[in-house]
Amino acid sequence: ETGVTQTPRHLVMGMTNKKSLKCEQHLGHNAMYWYKQSAKKPLELMFVYSLEERVENNSVPSRFSPECPNSSHLFLHLHTLQPEDSALYLCASSQRLAGLSYNEQFFGPGTRLTVL
Amino acid sequence: AQSVTQPDIHITVSEGASLELRCNYSYGATPYLFWYVQSPGQGLQLLLKYFSGDTLVQGIKGFEAEFKRSQSSFNLRKPSVHWSDAAEYFCAVGSASNYQLIWGAGTKLIIKP
Repeated sequence: ETGVTQTPRHLVMGMTNKKSLKCEQHLGHNAMYWYKQSAKKPLELMFVYSLEERVENNSVPSRFSPECPNSSHLFLHLHTLQPEDSALYLCASSQRLAGLSYNEQFFGPGTRLTVL
Repeated sequence: AQSVTQPDIHITVSEGASLELRCNYSYGATPYLFWYVQSPGQGLQLLLKYFSGDTLVQGIKGFEAEFKRSQSSFNLRKPSVHWSDAAEYFCAVGSASNYQLIWGAGTKLIIKP
């Protein structure tokens, strides 16, 4: 595997289900990101894990819960979602250097989530 | 406020014609600028980036972009488009002190045969 991989590629779930999205990066990067992509809207940054620091967008509902067990893996745990959460969820990684940040981000193919 | 504007939601060009996609930004720090492309059902792929130096940057797939500080613009160009260039294009801005990117809403490129 190379680059950034995401599983599953497609997910359909009911509002009462619990599921998780998985992301793995094979680039040796030390920062990972979750984005939400909805039609006709800019990419929405949900969470960042960088150098063991977690940054989150305060507007993200608590029904989304990230987990980053190590620098190569990132999860997004989903529970009691709403239909408006249907979107493409993208994972990305980048290399962050101490005192300097290069923002070039590498993206996975995304998980297309549909909430019924 | 920090923002990126891509004024064209859709652009249609004929195959073989030239292309320019516009990107304007508002950003408080010295910007790092990026163009990404997203094909249907795929993630985003980096086309090119500007950090410093020569304001005309070359990217993959024959694309180039020019940074114009006075106009706060970073427009993407290609002299002759191919049907495979049909995709959505995103402009983004960041900086050395902030690893988070500000994204435009994207421009969808449609190629006419």
